[in-house]
Amino acid sequence: DAKTTQPNSMESNEEEPVHLPCNHSTISGTDYIHWYRQLPSQGPEYVIHGLTSNVNNRMASLAIAEDRKSSTLILHRATLRDAAVYYCILRDPLLFSGGSNYKLTFGKGTLLTVNP
Amino acid sequence: GAVVSQHPSRVICKSGTSVKIECRSLDFQATTMFWYRQFPKQSLMLMATSNEGSKATYEQGVEKDKFLINHASLTLSTLTVTSAHPEDSSFYICSAPGGFEGTDTQYFGPGTRLTVL
Repeated sequence: DAKTTQPNSMESNEEEPVHLPCNHSTISGTDYIHWYRQLPSQGPEYVIHGLTSNVNNRMASLAIAEDRKSSTLILHRATLRDAAVYYCILRDPLLFSGGSNYKLTFGKGTLLTVNP
Repeated sequence: GAVVSQHPSRVICKSGTSVKIECRSLDFQATTMFWYRQFPKQSLMLMATSNEGSKATYEQGVEKDKFLINHASLTLSTLTVTSAHPEDSSFYICSAPGGFEGTDTQYFGPGTRLTVL
């Protein structure tokens, strides 16, 4: 899977929007952009994923650059419960056959701190 | 969303003993599950891919004789840490792909904190 680059940490205030950037300049045409987050002492949880178009769900929005070399995860109103490590991961579902194509390679992610 | 459970959530054992960790997909079937290990302040590292009805696939550098994986059914995978030593103390997390949101997402268990004395 292609590599992503994220800031080590970011800080936000409660109830303000948060924009978490991710650079993936070597992304291939079939790579999906996935975001997961890990709250302290818990397993990661899926946040959102997309290919080319911007995506919205109940947790967040994903804005993908036109050239797909970067993306931004948007939390519209941060809460204290959003404090976590956010991972941006590229996945090519066509690269492998069988169940192994779902494995994820985690980078260091961005530690988001939310101030009350 | 889909639910993956792990048991136990926390275990403390003496050096040299074996510890079994269970990973269950509660409301969906998983022919494949993944086992990760996470040391403090570090990211998750994939250890192995658990395949229902066949042998697990281990990542480079992971000892298959030390970390035994059994995927006996479509909803259960177990990881046994054999002859555990203090350096095996870590946070072990399993995951399974699929569930209700489609097969391109992973659902993670809550993790098992292993402490080897």
